[in-house]
Amino acid sequence: KAGVTQTPRYLIKTRGQQVTLSCSPISGHRSVSWYQQTPGQGLQFLFEYFSETQRNKGNFPGRFSGRQFSNSRSEMNVSTLELGDSALYLCASSLAETGEGYEQYFGPGTRLTVT
Amino acid sequence: GENVEQHPSTLSVQEGDSAVIKCTYSDSASNYFPWYKQELGKRPQLIIDIRSNVGEKKDQRIAVTLNKTAKHFSLHITETQPEDSAVYFCAAPLWGQNFVFGPGTRLSVLP
Repeated sequence: KAGVTQTPRYLIKTRGQQVTLSCSPISGHRSVSWYQQTPGQGLQFLFEYFSETQRNKGNFPGRFSGRQFSNSRSEMNVSTLELGDSALYLCASSLAETGEGYEQYFGPGTRLTVT
Repeated sequence: GENVEQHPSTLSVQEGDSAVIKCTYSDSASNYFPWYKQELGKRPQLIIDIRSNVGEKKDQRIAVTLNKTAKHFSLHITETQPEDSAVYFCAAPLWGQNFVFGPGTRLSVLP
């Protein structure tokens, strides 16, 4: 099976702009989670989507949003970018039918730089 | 909420020696504990996991042990090789698929 893919791999944006990142999960996986990875804060959970519905949400401001399509592909959007949004954004897919304790497999990430 | 501590933050071992990384968690309801390996510039890779109904799981040179009473779990790597050099993360579920990750351990295997 093909692994989790993310596009684009690298992105440079200016403060105040918005950005959309895309994630395609492993075939058959209906859960997609998004994480932000920074040197200072480590890996932090953003949100999880399952069957086109947001099932869990982390402690990030409303500028961070996401959605999932019927084919399980997911997008996340960050509006009004701030310098502190510079990070590696990782998505992870999982079977997670019941939402509890399923293996997550990560994509390669999108490196976002905000200038 | 869940809090995951991980020690040590850095670890250097000689090739062939063993390495042990320990994590503690706070939520006694946590029931699934994965370990990830992240090489420089690459994605986190799931290397082993354990569920709360077992105390130990082994996969070749890698093993994970779980002590539910003390709320800690450990990663053991035996016969370390240079390719084991990476950052290792433990995680515990806060709820559902919301995982709280430890801060990471940078393992260096010296030839």
